Order: sequence, then structure tokens, then C-alpha cells
Amino acid sequence: ELKVEQNPLFLSMQEGKNYTIYCNYSTTSDRLYWYRQDPGKSLESLFVLLSNGAVKQEGRLMASLDTKARLSTLHITAAVHDLSATYFCAVANTGTASKLTFGTGTRLQVTL
Amino acid sequence: GAGVSQSPRYKVAKRGQDVALRCDPISGHVSLFWYQQALGQGPEFLTYFQNEAQLDKSGLPSDRFFAERPEGSVSTLKIQRTQQEDSAVYLCASSPVLGSIETQYFGPGTRLLVL
Repeated sequence: ELKVEQNPLFLSMQEGKNYTIYCNYSTTSDRLYWYRQDPGKSLESLFVLLSNGAVKQEGRLMASLDTKARLSTLHITAAVHDLSATYFCAVANTGTASKLTFGTGTRLQVTL
Repeated sequence: GAGVSQSPRYKVAKRGQDVALRCDPISGHVSLFWYQQALGQGPEFLTYFQNEAQLDKSGLPSDRFFAERPEGSVSTLKIQRTQQEDSAVYLCASSPVLGSIETQYFGPGTRLLVL
């Protein structure tokens, strides 16, 4: 059974600081997704990572994938308040179409 | 264009009532998914359709849960004899092609509260 773990579960950081969220998964997969969720809202797609060594960047967020280590990271550079949200990684179950298994989420709070 | 829409956005049910939750996927999207998100948790897979065919229902928690997509577009998730543990946000997602790398696009969810 595929399991996805994120850490930390909660992160409070000051504006301007850098930090990394980690996503570990238990079995082989060929696709990993990062989503953002604001309180009371649905999930917004951030990144799709498809191969070992893949790196994608959008604004202050950068995601990477190491399939050998079964690890993805979401790096936040010079955080701003608008990045406050919950971030989920999700892993596609190989061989079962596009079914996704989500991590528990990392709640990010950026303070002034 | 329009995204995934869901209705109702909020539903309060008394324990034992039946509820029906509707999902309108993005037009032309082949794949449709239902997820359940408990408070403070990540979404958990319930079921998956390719067009009108339900190809995976392994995540449905009991036989009280039933989903259909009879014409390959709109889908309904029905919960019979609701229980308090059914309280959650039910998310619908769609994607353009089966088994592709395409992202799943999520709707706003239906927040179900069972009293």
C-alpha cells in the first residue's frame, strides 16, 4: 500500500526566510504533484514532477523529485504572507490510472 | 473556461438521511474522481470514472456509498443512511485523458455535516 508522509506538519516562518517541506513516499511512482489549499477552498495545482531529478520553479516556490530516494521537496524562498496555506504532495499509484494518494499536508503560516 | 463545479456547497443531514452530491466536471474531461477530505487531513480517494465506466471504487468506505456517471459527464455521489463519521468535505476532480500525466483539477467541494 502506497503511503505518503510530509514534514513538517506545521510551519511558522517569518517573511523573507527560506524553508523546505519534505514529502516521502513508500513505493515506486512515476508522478508526483504538489497542491496548495487555502482555508475553506479547493486544491490548486502547483507542480507536476514526472522524472528523477525533475525540478520546477514558479515564483518563490521550487519543487524537486528524487525517485531513487522516493523524496520530493518544496522549497520556499524569501517567504511572503500570501504563501500562507496548506501544501499537499500527492503521488500517483503506478498501474492504477491516475488515482492519487495524498500526504497529510503542511500548514504554512508566514508572519510579518 | 469554467472549472469543476459541485453542488450543494454545504449540506447538513440528520443521521440516517440519504444525501446526493453532484459534480460537473470540466467539459470534455474523460476522467472523474471523487475524494473525501476529513478535517485537517489530506484528500482520500473514493472512486474513479473513465467516461461512464466506474473503473475503481476501492476507496468507497462502505456499501452505503454509491457513485454514478451515467452519460459520461455529470457525476453523483450518493450516501445512504448517513452516519456522523461521514462528515467531511467531498471533492470532485477531473482530468482530460485517462492515464496521462495531466493534472487533476479539483472542484470547490461539498462540505457535509451529519448531525
